[in-house]
Amino acid sequence: GIQVEQSPPDLILQEGANSTLRCNFSDSVNNLQWFHQNPWGQLINLFYIPSGTKQNGRLSATTVATERYSLLYISSSQTTDSGVYFCAAYAGNNRKLIWGLGTSLAVNP
Amino acid sequence: EPEVTQTPSHQVTQMGQEVILRCVPISNHLYFYWYRQILGQKVEFLVSFYNNEISEKSEIFDDQFSVERPDGSNFTLKIRSTKLEDSAMYFCASSRDGNTEAFFGQGTRLTVV
Repeated sequence: GIQVEQSPPDLILQEGANSTLRCNFSDSVNNLQWFHQNPWGQLINLFYIPSGTKQNGRLSATTVATERYSLLYISSSQTTDSGVYFCAAYAGNNRKLIWGLGTSLAVNP
Repeated sequence: EPEVTQTPSHQVTQMGQEVILRCVPISNHLYFYWYRQILGQKVEFLVSFYNNEISEKSEIFDDQFSVERPDGSNFTLKIRSTKLEDSAMYFCASSRDGNTEAFFGQGTRLTVV
């Protein structure tokens, strides 16, 4: 089945800094999503992005399906951006999301 | 905006007891899922449900687990006899057609003591 790898595993930023999180996947995807897990454990949908580029406020994401990777950009980071960022994907007839291990982000004031 | 809702948000249960976790998927969605996240680990697929039957299940989803759609709105996960290792965050999700975006509930944190 599809493999999903995320990097870096951990990231520490000062408030106001920008960052790029990466997600590599091993197969062509039908679905790729980015999530933010907040300190209370809740999963927040960020982007549904099997291909192309989307922006939502300070966050944007790009998926280059032919090269099998997706990037999540966080600009002007805030302490509320802290948490774990997951990407998850599925491929082919497989309708279950396969998850990466996540990037743990800490934004310091 | 429509959302997936889960209840309860936190449940503590004694080992060996049965628990039922409840979910209300988005109303026009056809595919429903349960995922699990043990503390500090990645999210894992448990089961998918479509057309009133299980469409796929993982090896985690053994005979202790069952799912049901008892009426037109609820989707439940039952664990028959809980074990300590069932302690985890359980997420319900739904998607319109199984090929598009999956929307997740806020999760139920299950603690087995």
